[in-house]
Amino acid sequence: LAKTTQPISMDSYEGQEVNITCSHNNIATNDYITWYQQFPSQGPRFIIQGYKTKVTNEVASLFIPADRKSSTLSLPRVSLSDTAVYYCLVGEGYSTLTFGKGTMLLVSP
Amino acid sequence: EAQVTQNPRYLITVTGKKLTVTCSQNMNHEYMSWYRQDPGLGLRQIYYSMNVEVTDKGDVPEGYKVSRKEKRNFPLILESPSPNQTSLYFCASRGDRAYEQYFGPGTRLTVT
Repeated sequence: LAKTTQPISMDSYEGQEVNITCSHNNIATNDYITWYQQFPSQGPRFIIQGYKTKVTNEVASLFIPADRKSSTLSLPRVSLSDTAVYYCLVGEGYSTLTFGKGTMLLVSP
Repeated sequence: EAQVTQNPRYLITVTGKKLTVTCSQNMNHEYMSWYRQDPGLGLRQIYYSMNVEVTDKGDVPEGYKVSRKEKRNFPLILESPSPNQTSLYFCASRGDRAYEQYFGPGTRLTVT
């Protein structure tokens, strides 16, 4: 399983764009990149998943460079309710996905 | 509504008293799993099940048992709980979209 590295914490203000980068240097050819969001005392929630280039949905965008050794989750115009822990996962999909410690995003007024 | 339910949501028990945490999903998912979450350690998988009667160990299976007799249910059993099993437990399931797991609301267990 590819190991992922992401910042432990990040701070932002309401209305700003937040970019959380995840490093996964030994990603395998069949691996996908998936991001989850977790609010305190709740189960994680799937945000977005991609393989290469850019993926966008109603919640976030995911940017993956050509070498796929990193990925960036972009949250446009964050609000206080985006304060949460964000997990980057890399895996083959049907294999077990391993959650790391994630990035604690704190959005302030 | 598609969901994963867990019961109980909160449980305080004593060392050695067997307990079961139930998990049920209404999405006809084949894959189900259990995680525990502890401060500073993130989410760690305990057991998972690819289908009925098929279960396998995750990263931290010691002290836990599971069973999968029906597709919708995946109970977590602690035969002899110990204080180091005090944790927040999550059940999850996934369907055809393999990367998208649905998590239950969590069970906060305290073992004294």
